[in-house]
Amino acid sequence: ETGVTQTPRHLVMGMTNKKSLKCEQHLGHNAMYWYKQSAKKPLELMFVYSLEERVENNSVPSRFSPECPNSSHLFLHLHTLQPEDSALYLCASSQVPGGETQYFGPGTRLLVL
Amino acid sequence: DAKTTQPPSMDCAEGRAANLPCNHSTISGNEYVYWYRQIHSQGPQYIIHGLKNNETNEMASLIITEDRKSSTLILPHATLRDTAVYYCIVRVRAGGTSYGKLTFGQGTILTVHP
Repeated sequence: ETGVTQTPRHLVMGMTNKKSLKCEQHLGHNAMYWYKQSAKKPLELMFVYSLEERVENNSVPSRFSPECPNSSHLFLHLHTLQPEDSALYLCASSQVPGGETQYFGPGTRLLVL
Repeated sequence: DAKTTQPPSMDCAEGRAANLPCNHSTISGNEYVYWYRQIHSQGPQYIIHGLKNNETNEMASLIITEDRKSSTLILPHATLRDTAVYYCIVRVRAGGTSYGKLTFGQGTILTVHP
C-alpha cells in the first residue's frame, strides 16, 4: 500500500485548459518530487521541494508550475500545454537526508489534445 | 554519479530465482547501489540498497562484488507479479539537508513466465 496518493489518476485536457495535479504523502517525509515519464523514455526529474523550499527546477517550461504549501502536499499547475506534454506524471516523497529512498505515487496519466 | 549498465530484458520461470545484473565499473567509494522496480503503468517502487556488504530484506537480496564494480539483485522465488522494469542506480547518499537526486536509466525488463 503506497503512502503517496495522486489525483486525478487520468486527465484529458485541451491546450488552452488550466488544470492542477495533486499529490499527498502520509509518510511524514520532508521532501517531495515531481517526475515526468514519457512513452519509451526514462523518468525525468522535474521539480524538488526539500523542507518546503524548491531546490531543483530541471529546465522545465514555465507552463508547468509547482506549488508546495506544506510538507505533505504538492501540486503541479498546468496551463497551455502541448501534445508532447502527454505523459505519466509521478510524485514521490522522501526523508532528507537520505532522499535516495523515495516512495512514489501511482501517477497521473495526462493526455493533451 | 557512476554510470550503470543493465541488460535490456530477461526472462524467468515462476518459482525460480531471478538474478538481475548491474555493471557499475566506475563506482566511487562513497556511492551506494539502489534498486527500484516499476510495474507497468505504476510508480516506481524502492526495493533495496547497499554500499559494499550484501543486503537482504523481505523483497530481495543484493549481492555486491568485492571490487564493487558490479552487483546482482536476487528475487529468490519470482512470481508473475514480479514482472516489471528493474532499475539499478548508483548515487552518493545525500547528507545534511540534501535531497536525493535519482537518475533512472532504461532498466531491465524482467518477464516472469508461468
